[in-house]
Amino acid sequence: KNQVEQSPQSLIILEGKNCTLQCNYTVSPFSNLRWYKQDTGRGPVSLTIMTFSENTKSNGRYTATLDADTKQSSLHITASQLSDSASYICVVSAGNQFYFGTGTSLTVIP
Amino acid sequence: GAGVSQSPSNKVTEKGKDVELRCDPISGHTALYWYRQSLGQGLEFLIYFQGNSAPDKSGLPSDRFSAERTGGSVSTLTIQRTQQEDSAVYLCASSLRVGMVSNQPQHFGDGTRLSIL
Repeated sequence: KNQVEQSPQSLIILEGKNCTLQCNYTVSPFSNLRWYKQDTGRGPVSLTIMTFSENTKSNGRYTATLDADTKQSSLHITASQLSDSASYICVVSAGNQFYFGTGTSLTVIP
Repeated sequence: GAGVSQSPSNKVTEKGKDVELRCDPISGHTALYWYRQSLGQGLEFLIYFQGNSAPDKSGLPSDRFSAERTGGSVSTLTIQRTQQEDSAVYLCASSLRVGMVSNQPQHFGDGTRLSIL
């Protein structure tokens, strides 16, 4: 069964600290893996898109990693800011389908 | 504006009524996607268009749901005889080309929040 699981479900960190969000998937055949940031009441915004051959991709303070062998991805946020408070969604595409994780809700506190 | 525009931003209607949701994609984007996001749940992929064609409609939840796209631009998602379980945020996204395999980033609108009373 094609599934995408994210952990933790929610996370609270202090401003300035780093954090790592996890995404495990069982989707096959794998096309690409995306990380999105979704602010409350807004549409998701693309952070990174990674193909099978890519291990790491960065977008500013966001760094995504992909291990296609173990079917795991992580999103690392460096030096967190209050504006990083949002839901982070992992999406895996296979064939002509998208499979979504339920997201990690991140709260950054001063 | 340069982004994906959806209207209305909020819609409240009575059970049994029909609703029509509109999406204006980014100019020049040939691919358009509809998603549903229910409270406390993840995104659910509904349908995508390449130009005016929707190759796969199997993601639509029921035959009460339909979508069309005209002129390679504006798309409408229609829900007939709405039910309370249709209450959700309906999101639209567009990309230069179909994104599943081509790694095209999708640009989302802010959604239509639909409430069925």
